[in-house]
Amino acid sequence: DADVTQTPRNRITKTGKRIMLECSQTKGHDRMYWYRQDPGLGLRLIYYSFDVKDINKGEISDGYSVSRQAQAKFSLSLESAIPNQTALYFCATSDPDFGTSGYNEQFFGPGTRLTVL
Amino acid sequence: AQKITQTQPGMFVQEKEAVTLDCTYDTSDPSYGLFWYKQPSSGEMIFLIYQGSYDQQNATEGRYSLNFQKARKSANLVISASQLGDSAMYFCAMREDGTASKLTFGTGTRLQVTL
Repeated sequence: DADVTQTPRNRITKTGKRIMLECSQTKGHDRMYWYRQDPGLGLRLIYYSFDVKDINKGEISDGYSVSRQAQAKFSLSLESAIPNQTALYFCATSDPDFGTSGYNEQFFGPGTRLTVL
Repeated sequence: AQKITQTQPGMFVQEKEAVTLDCTYDTSDPSYGLFWYKQPSSGEMIFLIYQGSYDQQNATEGRYSLNFQKARKSANLVISASQLGDSAMYFCAMREDGTASKLTFGTGTRLQVTL
């Protein structure tokens, strides 16, 4: 089973709809992140959380909100979706103690492809 | 200023040849880490290699090596003996240790390996 899972994997919605993207992890990491990827722009950080009570805005948080329901779950919500939120969304986790590799690399979920019509 | 710059939108390389993907970075933090990720057409992000700012030697992981030139602020990825399966997008990213482990990504380089 994958260590970081995202649901749904694909979603098509209409302008103005509320939508939630969910992320779950079994890696036991405290730190979780939400990114969006747009063609030609790379990945940009939306929100990040260092534990259940610590949530922080990233580079592009406008129009998004998050909820950290438990150490293993981090959800991203679009309260009123708009077409320019069409993108590939990634959840990621990392170990604050630099993990077994010593790198503190981020582990990514498979992504959610969101289309807003 | 861009924190991570990847100036090659696309690259071609023949199978079995080596290829270098460029990455330059900008930071005033003395402690930072540089990462390369691979994104195949299936979309997942795969961690390849890491270089810490205080590491004395260039990082290597199998066919991947990182040409780290600290004074020039560059961290180029070298893939030796390219394989068809190396065709993908490659992203350079930086973690500045004063920014709570956040990663800043470049715009990526699409590598196409040809026969």
